[in-house]
Amino acid sequence: SQQGEEDPQALSIQEGENATMNCSYKTSINNLQWYRQNSGRGLVHLILIRSNEREKHSGRLRVTLDTSKKSSSLLITASRAADTASYFCATRGTNTGFQKLVFGTGTRLLVSP
Amino acid sequence: DAGVTQSPTHLIKTRGQQVTLRCSPKSGHDTVSWYQQALGQGPQFIFQYYEEEERQRGNFPDRFSGHQFPNYSSELNVNALLLGDSALYLCASSLGGVEAEAFFGQGTRLTVV
Repeated sequence: SQQGEEDPQALSIQEGENATMNCSYKTSINNLQWYRQNSGRGLVHLILIRSNEREKHSGRLRVTLDTSKKSSSLLITASRAADTASYFCATRGTNTGFQKLVFGTGTRLLVSP
Repeated sequence: DAGVTQSPTHLIKTRGQQVTLRCSPKSGHDTVSWYQQALGQGPQFIFQYYEEEERQRGNFPDRFSGHQFPNYSSELNVNALLLGDSALYLCASSLGGVEAEAFFGQGTRLTVV
């Protein structure tokens, strides 16, 4: 079963606006990773945040992690039509073995020109 | 530097048949994981191979089996196909360590009719 839950399930915005997606998970984690998926193709790794980190930036992406609330958020600033995709969070737990990733259900982002 | 490559990209099989999917990891990576992604869902972990051994397994029946070769490439075999096995099968490679980023291939779309 999926561990993570993403919120919202779908998000529709205009180009130039910011997009925020949230992820909640259930167990203790070693790290949390965000991925993008275009039209049912492969997953593209966006960013990894460790359990001892609270915030991380990469270009137009900003990720926060609150381990006390077991939640993370992904902010995409100044969105572009090319950002249209599904976004998934994935956690690597402290007690789930070496490298198994547990994915959330995803947020479908639509950015209109 | 080639990323993770999977073959074939699409496959149609009949219920009851067997299928083999292939994955070549990113250069230098020694660990391969397989995921199943049903339509509209997040990927679910099937199993992981390291040093030609299955290191961790998800909640999938024995009909799902795999192999890793000395060159780190991997195969996923599914026997006695069911309609419910129709999904996108994703291969991910990484290099050791709990904090390693996982790089995904473009996936194999399997349709069972």
